[in-house]
This record gives sequence, structure tokens and C-alpha cells, in this order.
Amino acid sequence: NAGVTQTPKFRVLKTGQSMTLLCAQDMNHEYMYWYRQDPGMGLRLIHYSVGEGTTAKGEVPDGYNVSRLKKQNFLLGLESAAPSQTSVYFCASQRGSAYEQYFGPGTRLTVT
Amino acid sequence: AQSVTQPDIHITVSEGASLELRCNYSYGATPYLFWYVQSPGQGLQLLLKYFSGDTLVQGIKGFEAEFKRSQSSFNLRKPSVHWSDAAEYFCASYGGSQGNLIFGKGTKLSVKP
Repeated sequence: NAGVTQTPKFRVLKTGQSMTLLCAQDMNHEYMYWYRQDPGMGLRLIHYSVGEGTTAKGEVPDGYNVSRLKKQNFLLGLESAAPSQTSVYFCASQRGSAYEQYFGPGTRLTVT
Repeated sequence: AQSVTQPDIHITVSEGASLELRCNYSYGATPYLFWYVQSPGQGLQLLLKYFSGDTLVQGIKGFEAEFKRSQSSFNLRKPSVHWSDAAEYFCASYGGSQGNLIFGKGTKLSVKP
């Protein structure tokens, strides 16, 4: 039981490049989330999904897209990377409404 | 808007000393409250949670937290800190407008030998 995994762990992009971050969970959780963590800002919600095939915007969605084609996977895409997207990205999953979230180890992204 | 406040950005305690990390929430109904810990370079791990019932909850690694409705607080405590407790601690409340967790900005704990 791996829990929540994220791929890749580290990535460096040039401004304007695109990439996809993959989150996978093996706990059969319904809800999945993408956060970004910046110094002094805590965690901010980018996008989330309450089930396969559904996605919704969070607090800071601009510049990101997501897809949840399979229940166990939640993809985060950066269409045209900007230096302001340099951050640590965390994925989390949750069994259902009002339960605790389980976090992946994070992806450290640097955009130059 | 719902919010979670952790007043202390950084706390330093001596190994073996007691610890209390503060958390205040703003929410009308009984909130669902959580404490997470993040070791350097790691993801967040759940320490404990409060949904209802006994206001003193026990968690992993010897931590406990007390829910006080009158003070809108959910402070985290540990009677004797170990060097391995050095990490960043996040308080969170469930129930954002999207049904998500609202996190405080975190308290970084340093432990002196």
C-alpha cells in the first residue's frame, strides 16, 4: 500500500515550457486535491476533484489545468510555465466529505 | 471567510521541555480540526484530528490537542519535546467554500539540545 505518490520529485523548467505532474493513490479515495506550498503562505488549493471525471477550481487555479480520467490518478498541467509557478506542489486524497487528507511527498518545481 | 490562524511563525524549545503550539479558527458551527506535521523535504503527516466528542484528543508521537469552543482554539501540546520533533506544524480546519481544508500558515519548531 503506497498511499499517495507523486511523479516527478524534482523538475526544472524554462519559462514557457509545459509539463504534467502525476498524482496516484491506491486507497480508493473519492476526493483528490492539488496544493502549492510557498514560504510563509501555507498550502493553497489549486484544483480539486470529488470523483472520477469531475474537477473544480480552488483558490489559485490560474495557469494550471487538471484532469481526473481515472479514480486513482489526478494530473496537474502547467500550460506555459512562469517563474511565479516555482513552488512545491502537493497532492492529497480524501476518502469522502469531512475526512482527513493524505498527502504525497511533493514535487519541487523551479521555473527559470 | 473561514480562516485558520497560527500566531507563532517560529518557536524554539529545549529538548525535554514542554511544547504548546497555538491555533485559532473562525467557523460558526463545530469545526473539523486537524494538526499536520511536515519534516524537511517531506509531505504532510496527520498528527491528530477532532470531529466531535471529547475535547482532548490524542495523536501520534505523544502529541495531544484540546478543542476550546469558547476561545475558538485547538492548541497542540507535547509534555516533553524530542530533537526529532523539529519540523513545521500546520493546523487545518475542514469546510472551505469548496469543501476543502483551510490551512494555517504553519509554525516552525526548532529544538535546542
